[in-house]
Amino acid sequence: DIQMTQSPSSLSASVGDRVTVSCRASQGVNSYLNWYQQQPGKVPKLLIYAASSLQSGVPSRFSGSGSGTDFTLTISSLQPEDFATYYCQQTYNMPPTFGQGTKVEIK
Amino acid sequence: VQLVQSGAEVQKPGASVKVSCMASGYAFSSYYLHWVRQAPGQGLEWMGMIKPDGGSTSYAQNFQGRVTMTRDTSTSTVYMELSSLRSEDTAVYYCTRGVIGSYGPRLDSWGRGTLVTVSS
Repeated sequence: DIQMTQSPSSLSASVGDRVTVSCRASQGVNSYLNWYQQQPGKVPKLLIYAASSLQSGVPSRFSGSGSGTDFTLTISSLQPEDFATYYCQQTYNMPPTFGQGTKVEIK
Repeated sequence: VQLVQSGAEVQKPGASVKVSCMASGYAFSSYYLHWVRQAPGQGLEWMGMIKPDGGSTSYAQNFQGRVTMTRDTSTSTVYMELSSLRSEDTAVYYCTRGVIGSYGPRLDSWGRGTLVTVSS
């Protein structure tokens, strides 16, 4: 299975900050990479697919980049509702595998 | 799109559980449905998927032999049955729709989850 490793595991940031979350695959996954957000006590929500495509309805402050083994999720200006856990997922090989998550907390 | 899952379950070790997921608001047969679970305080784990059109399945190796996914096209419902339950299977089980794109599936709609608790 392809291992997905996210860094950091958690971070503290303030409203308005620019935040980046990294995701590294144990082997190349081309652009077969999705990002999900899970707010506390809620269901996961798709943010980004195909590494950089914004899901319909997701605010434009979210963006994704990367290809191959290294990917980044960027929040350009952190909002109160963005405090959540973020997961990357590769769909290049079966089974699709998730990173362990990055928790974004309030500073 | 709505995915409505069955209610919470408490089962004993060694027993089985069957969780349902009723889909509405889209063409049921046109999209795979996936199952993803989340143990308390832990991350997301993909379990498998079913293609409503024909019923073909693909399961994660971790669950091979213990999980069975089925569907009922007459009610637009998919089912996930997990057998030989152990305490480590205590988790929230999500049903989620997979949209196929140029770069693999993306899980764009999720049920609210079903908490399965395994306890003696």
